[in-house]
Formats: sequence, structure tokens, C-alpha cells
Amino acid sequence: EIVLTQSPGTLSLSPGERATLSCRASQSVSSSNLAWYQQRLGQAPRLLIYGASTRATGIPDRFRGSGSGTDFIVTISRLEPEDFAVYYCQLYGDSRLTFGGGTKVEIK
Amino acid sequence: QVQLVESGGGVVQPGRSLRLSCAASGFTFSTYGMHWVRQAPGRGLEWVAVIWYDGSKKYYADSVKGRFTISRDNSQNTLYVQMNSLRAEDTAVYYCAREDGSKAALHYYYYGMDVWGQGTTVTVS
Repeated sequence: EIVLTQSPGTLSLSPGERATLSCRASQSVSSSNLAWYQQRLGQAPRLLIYGASTRATGIPDRFRGSGSGTDFIVTISRLEPEDFAVYYCQLYGDSRLTFGGGTKVEIK
Repeated sequence: QVQLVESGGGVVQPGRSLRLSCAASGFTFSTYGMHWVRQAPGRGLEWVAVIWYDGSKKYYADSVKGRFTISRDNSQNTLYVQMNSLRAEDTAVYYCAREDGSKAALHYYYYGMDVWGQGTTVTVS
């Protein structure tokens, strides 16, 4: 079973700063099966990125996904107030889905 | 508009059963795989189960296998999960979510879970 490890657990930043979120898989995975979600407090998750780098419909271009093999990253170029949330990476495959533990982006 | 609405949550004693529903609207329900995902209080997301668009295949997380059954009624645009032998650790918000993707030749392209419901809360106590 593939495990996804997200780091850091919490990222404390100010609006306007750049955020870099990491997701590491316990073994090499296909980037086409890697997605990211944003969950704001009290809300359902929202699809941000699929295929490791393709933004979902309506996602602003300050969000950028990259990576391959075991290491994947989401970068938020300039944090807006609505970007402070928890972010999860997720892997599709082999008849199951796997989520990472999440990274909380909080206001410093 | 495209929408998923869960219902059926509540407080239930350990060992009892509960059935959750997820009503879909605004899209052709019968052409999408559907998932249940849960989130325990203060915890991260945990995938629970998936059912293919036509109900032909179903897969479960190890934590619920043998106790939960996912099903769907495409004529009613509704997804279900029957939860039996409930445990305290099943306490969570349960979300239904639509899987987007496409198939070309022998390859399936996964586009993520692009529509989510607002969740329904299950408390086992």
C-alpha cells in the first residue's frame, strides 16, 4: 500500500507570500493519478489540481502543481486571504484512493 | 446546477446500522463513478468506498470492508452507503463525491473528484 506523506504539517505565512506544499509517495507513482484538494474551514474539499499539474476548472493560476515519481509540490505564488486552508494530496490507483495527511496553511 | 446532497446522518449506538444517501442533480449521474469519503473530527480525509458508473464494481477501504456496502440507483440519481456494525471510530462527516475521468483504448485518465456534497455527520456513541 502506497503512503502519501505531506510536509510541512503547518505552514505559517502572511498574505502575499509564496507557499510551497510537499507530498511524497512511499514508492514511485504515475503523476497522472495525483490530485490536490483544498478544504477551507467548515467546508467540503474542493478539487484544485489533477494529473499533478492541471488546474481544475475555476482554479486561479497562482496555484501551480508539479512533480513526478515520488515527489510532488503545489506552489501558491501569492497567498490571498481565501487560500488559508488545509490542502490534501490524493492518489488514485489499484481500486482505492489514498489521501495524504494534509498541510494547514495558516495566517502568520 | 451540478449538486450532491447527502442525508441520513445522525447519532447511533455502537453495533447498530445506518444508511446514508446522496442525491445527485444537474449532471448525468449514470455516467460517473461515485465515492464516499469521510473525515473524523479534527482529522484528515479518509477514502471509504467507490462504485463504478453502472454499479458493476465496488471497492472499499480496509477499515470498512465487510461492514459497509456502497450502492446506487441510477434511475433515482442516488448513491447510498449502508453502514452496519458501527463503531466509535466511524464517527465522522461523510461526503459523497463524483469522480471525473475518461477512458481511451485501455487507459483510464483520472481527473479527480470534482464535485462534493456538503457532508452529513454520523456520530456513533
